[in-house]
Amino acid sequence: GAVVSQHPSWVICKSGTSVKIECRSLDFQATTMFWYRQFPKQSLMLMATSNEGSKATYEQGVEKDKFLINHASLTLSTLTVTSAHPEDSSFYICSARDVAGYNEQFFGPGTRLTVL
Amino acid sequence: AQTVTQSQPEMSVQEAETVTLSCTYDTSESDYYLFWYKQPPSRQMILVIRQEAYKQQNATENRFSVNFQKAAKSFSLKISDSQLGDAAMYFCAYRSAGTGTASKLTFGTGTRLQVTL
Repeated sequence: GAVVSQHPSWVICKSGTSVKIECRSLDFQATTMFWYRQFPKQSLMLMATSNEGSKATYEQGVEKDKFLINHASLTLSTLTVTSAHPEDSSFYICSARDVAGYNEQFFGPGTRLTVL
Repeated sequence: AQTVTQSQPEMSVQEAETVTLSCTYDTSESDYYLFWYKQPPSRQMILVIRQEAYKQQNATENRFSVNFQKAAKSFSLKISDSQLGDAAMYFCAYRSAGTGTASKLTFGTGTRLQVTL
């Protein structure tokens, strides 16, 4: 099956610094990738939809200047949390849409961000 | 906007028994997909089963089957012969049949399934 990787799996940073999370589709091309945020014992909240070669579409309430998304190639999307603060600590999950078949979304293993 | 509701925050089932997880949704669209995802403690999202709205036949995948009632906008998941490895958070999700931003998933709040010996 299609595989999506995320890097890093766990990151700890100091308040005020920026953190970049990578999402890669390993064996398929993904014109669209999605970024989710998940708080403990809660559901996935869609943050933004990333389309290759164009600007990301952010969900209402998500600060686009704080959560920078770049989808520079058909296999890579990045999420940069700028000037991170403790309230940005969360579990971030990406998914990539395979245009073949059922337009299936395949999920990465997630990245745990802890901001001190 | 579409909404997905899972009214059971937690469920428990004995090993080898059968359990049904409930899901209802609201949409004005006629063509869409419904999914059940499993999220074990590793937090990796795993697709359990998919249902296309235009198909009347309920989807099945080994021990997993759904009861899709389109008119009632209901989409329940039945797990037969439950195993310890089935213990996880289960999310019901909706997706429009379109592409681009329309292909985003709308998730329910999840049901935590415990499997006991």
